[in-house]
This record gives sequence, C-alpha cells and structure tokens, in this order.
Amino acid sequence: ETGVTQTPRHLVMGMTNKKSLKCEQHLGHNAMYWYKQSAKKPLELMFVYNFKEQTENNSVPSRFSPECPNSSHLFLHLHTLQPEDSALYLCASSHETGMGGYTFGSGTRLTVV
Amino acid sequence: SQQGEEDPQALSIQEGENATMNCSYKTSINNLQWYRQNSGRGLVHLILIRSNEREKHSGRLRVTLDTSKKSSSLLITASRAADTASYFCATDAFGGGGADGLTFGKGTHLIIQP
Repeated sequence: ETGVTQTPRHLVMGMTNKKSLKCEQHLGHNAMYWYKQSAKKPLELMFVYNFKEQTENNSVPSRFSPECPNSSHLFLHLHTLQPEDSALYLCASSHETGMGGYTFGSGTRLTVV
Repeated sequence: SQQGEEDPQALSIQEGENATMNCSYKTSINNLQWYRQNSGRGLVHLILIRSNEREKHSGRLRVTLDTSKKSSSLLITASRAADTASYFCATDAFGGGGADGLTFGKGTHLIIQP
C-alpha cells in the first residue's frame, strides 16, 4: 500500500448507471488529483484540488463530477458514461508544493458497457 | 498538448545490463520526475530533479537533466527482473505552485530478460 487507497479496484457499469469512485489518503498531503489512463495514451489530468478547493478542471465532460469534502478524501461521481470512458482512473496526492513527488493509489479499472 | 515524450517506447535487455530511457519536453519546468508503473497498478515515484540540477542519483538510478535541450534521461544500472515495468517522465510546469498537476509522457515499457 502506498498510503493512497482507492475503492473499488474494479467497476463495471452500464451507461445509465450512477457510481462513485473513492480515494483516501492519510499522508498529511493537501493536494489531491484525478488522472485518467487509457491504453496507448499519456495520463490525462482531470481534476486538481488544493486545500479542498478545485484549482484545475481540464475540460472534463460534466458526466464526471468531483467532490473533495476534506483534505483526506476525494470522490469522482460518474453518471451516464460512454464506452470510451472505460479506463484506469488514478488518484494521487502530494504536498501543496509538489516537492517529494506524487503518491498514487492503485487505481480503479472502470469498464462501461 | 503532450509535455513529456519518452524514447524508446519499448526496451528489452538482459538482466544485469544497464537500461537508458530518454524524455523530451516542450515548456519550461520547475522540476522533472520519473515514475514506474507495474502492469495495471498505480505509479510509484522514483526520483525528482529540479530545473537547476543537472544530475541526481538514487541507488541504481541516475537521472540527468539538460534544460537547454529540454531533455532528461533515466539510467538503471545492473538491471533486475523486478525492474520490468513502464517508466514515465512527468513535468511540473514553470510558474505553477507545484500542486497544479504533473504532465506525463506515454512511457517506456522496459522488459528485463532473465
């Protein structure tokens, strides 16, 4: 375990479902991130939260909705997804300066059917 | 646009040999980082080199940074089967606060043959 825990590890959902991905860290980090990793593409930064405030939203479709209730928890709410949204979703956290690198969770493998 | 781009895309070497991977990027940076990913898992931070540093070592890892060429290299010495993984470079863009999100390349898939 890296100190960043993601649940569930695997998720299969239909296009009409609503589900949520959860990320939790107890490393004392103040910044948390959602990344999407698709086959043969670089990791895509989706959302950034710094001290619980969203500071980055990289043109992500509204069917992805993040929530950061506190510095230790991050959620990604999913609704009416498309098959092309199938990917590995990775959560990461870091110190607010970014020094020391990012700590990643093991990811949630999402399949949209 | 993609910031980091690793070269080669895939590399297969014999155990005990050295592995070298390269990364090029496009914009000014605060620092450059290297990460390893085992199949289907999360990324593990390996090493960070600041823009004012030229070389850094950590165990069997050696990283160089040439800001004039906007390039970096990762050398793994005396490779082991357990080093088989994908390796990514990531850049922290200049001017950001450090927690604005890293930009990753597509990675180099390294295979160590026993």
